[in-house]
Amino acid sequence: ELKVEQNPLFLSMQEGKNYTIYCNYSTTSDRLYWYRQDPGKSLESLFVLLSNGAVKQEGRLMASLDTKARLSTLHITAAVHDLSATYFCAVGMNRDDKIIFGKGTRLHILP
Amino acid sequence: EPEVTQTPSHQVTQMGQEVILRCVPISNHLYFYWYRQILGQKVEFLVSFYNNEISEKSEIFDDQFSVERPDGSNFTLKIRSTKLEDSAMYFCASGRQGNQPQHFGDGTRLSIL
Repeated sequence: ELKVEQNPLFLSMQEGKNYTIYCNYSTTSDRLYWYRQDPGKSLESLFVLLSNGAVKQEGRLMASLDTKARLSTLHITAAVHDLSATYFCAVGMNRDDKIIFGKGTRLHILP
Repeated sequence: EPEVTQTPSHQVTQMGQEVILRCVPISNHLYFYWYRQILGQKVEFLVSFYNNEISEKSEIFDDQFSVERPDGSNFTLKIRSTKLEDSAMYFCASGRQGNQPQHFGDGTRLSIL
């Protein structure tokens, strides 16, 4: 059974600082997603990572994937208050449709 | 930009009643999904639907749940006899292909009394 673990689950950080959220998963997968959720809102797709060594960047966020280590990271550079949200990683199982979500990392950026 | 729309945004229902949650996926998408999120918890997969049939379902998706695509646009989730623990936010999602990002609707908050 595929398990997806994120850490930390809660992160409070100062504006301007860098930090990394980690996502580990337990079995082979062919795709990994990062989503953002604001309180009471839907999930917004941030990144899709499909291959080992994939790296994608959008603004202050950068995601990477190491399929051998079964690890993805979401790196935040010079955080700003607008990035406060819950970030979920989700892993797709090979040839299956469903994706399994991690518990989410609640990010709170202090001005 | 096209989006997934869900109705209603909030549904309050008595325990034991049937409820139907509605979704209009993005028009050129072929894969459809339902997820739920109990308040403050993670998002849980319920069911995926492709080519007019269920392709995958979780253990949460028991005999009380069903999905339908009654016409070319709507995708519905029915809960036959609701329980208190069905209270959650239900998200519909759609995707063009299985390995593409799933686009989520704004969700329906289901409250069972």
